[in-house]
Amino acid sequence: DQQVKQNSPSLSVQEGRISILNCDYTNSMFDYFLWYKKYPAEGPTFLISISSIKDKNEDGRFTVFLNKSAKHLSLHIVPSQPGDSAVYFCAATDLNFGNEKLTFGTGTRLTIIP
Amino acid sequence: DTGVSQDPRHKITKRGQNVTFRCDPISEHNRLYWYRQTLGQGPEFLTYFQNEAQLEKSRLLSDRFSAERPKGSFSTLEIQRTEQGDSAMYLCASNTNLGTGGNNEQFFGPGTRLTVL
Repeated sequence: DQQVKQNSPSLSVQEGRISILNCDYTNSMFDYFLWYKKYPAEGPTFLISISSIKDKNEDGRFTVFLNKSAKHLSLHIVPSQPGDSAVYFCAATDLNFGNEKLTFGTGTRLTIIP
Repeated sequence: DTGVSQDPRHKITKRGQNVTFRCDPISEHNRLYWYRQTLGQGPEFLTYFQNEAQLEKSRLLSDRFSAERPKGSFSTLEIQRTEQGDSAMYLCASNTNLGTGGNNEQFFGPGTRLTVL
């Protein structure tokens, strides 16, 4: 069963506009959520995270929103830049479990059009 | 060196052969994780160490897979009698639970891409 879902395999956005990437989860035990960015032939790189006690976290051009009742989170990138073109993974974990293993979605390939 | 390193970066082997991968985590990190990523999927958890103790193994980790972290520093992942279905990117990640006040993120290495012919 896919506990973390990213239903859009790809997304194209014009440079300078807002990119919105979505993620849904089913496991109500998840209490910490992360977004990773991945370039080809590299490992995932951490972008931003959010705890379930918050509904928004912002870091520069990146903002993550969490809607616990809907079990939905989104990553907003504004303004989008060509260097943002990559695959973005949503991940979730249960910090109370001890083993903070991450459960990943299948990723969304973001392409920024110059 | 401030990042997670993995060796080799690429490995091509014939079905039935044994392979071993190495991961060197960030030096002060006491937790180490192995994940596997196949085409079109996100990374999937395989196993987890806290210091030298292997505390959890996924059901994805068949008996042909074994992982060690003998001194709580580097880790090895061995696959015996490789099968074509083992072809994937094997990712290592590390972090610490020692109250750094950080984001609880895991830091990933570049991965080892395994191709089984």
